[in-house]
Amino acid sequence: EPEVTQTPSHQVTQMGQEVILRCVPISNHLYFYWYRQILGQKVEFLVSFYNNEISEKSEIFDDQFSVERPDGSNFTLKIRSTKLEDSAMYFCASSLQPGSEQYFGPGTRLTVT
Amino acid sequence: AQSVSQHNHHVILSEAASLELGCNYSYGGTVNLFWYVQYPGQHLQLLLKYFSGDPLVKGIKGFEAEFIKSKFSFNLRKPSVQWSDTAEYFCAVNGAGGGNKLTFGTGTQLKVEL
Repeated sequence: EPEVTQTPSHQVTQMGQEVILRCVPISNHLYFYWYRQILGQKVEFLVSFYNNEISEKSEIFDDQFSVERPDGSNFTLKIRSTKLEDSAMYFCASSLQPGSEQYFGPGTRLTVT
Repeated sequence: AQSVSQHNHHVILSEAASLELGCNYSYGGTVNLFWYVQYPGQHLQLLLKYFSGDPLVKGIKGFEAEFIKSKFSFNLRKPSVQWSDTAEYFCAVNGAGGGNKLTFGTGTQLKVEL
């Protein structure tokens, strides 16, 4: 069964550093998403992406965040200058159609020290 | 803005007990509703979904959920739980009219004891 994959599984970085989280969505899916879950809190929507552009973003997704689909298979989330409060589990998801079920990757645990 | 409430944060049951996890949502329009499960060490997996039609939907592993529009609820049920159902369960909603983002509840940690 096709699945969403994410790398790395765990990333430790120092405050102020840039990080790139990588995702490979399911191959025939057209809609891509990033969510995050701070320890002990809800899974929160960050951004959705379709046709090489952002279709929706949350207030969390400020200028420090960017997304890209650089090569037709990967979908990346970049945090330009990490802060302590960016420490969370980041989940990538994809769906075939808007509003349809989203398939999630295993997550990247980001720890900012 | 849409929101989702899950009333039970931690539930402990014995094997063969019946399960009902509450989920209420707040949204002004038509919604799509989902239950996801996260087994220990694994990623979020779709248990079941409701888009339209029969408000009683059946999912994998014997789970079902009932959409009650008048109560803005989408409760998850299973008649007889197993130890392997130990996991965290998340209710989620997105607006059917557009906007793909899922809004999640806080999750319910279910522990099934032998």
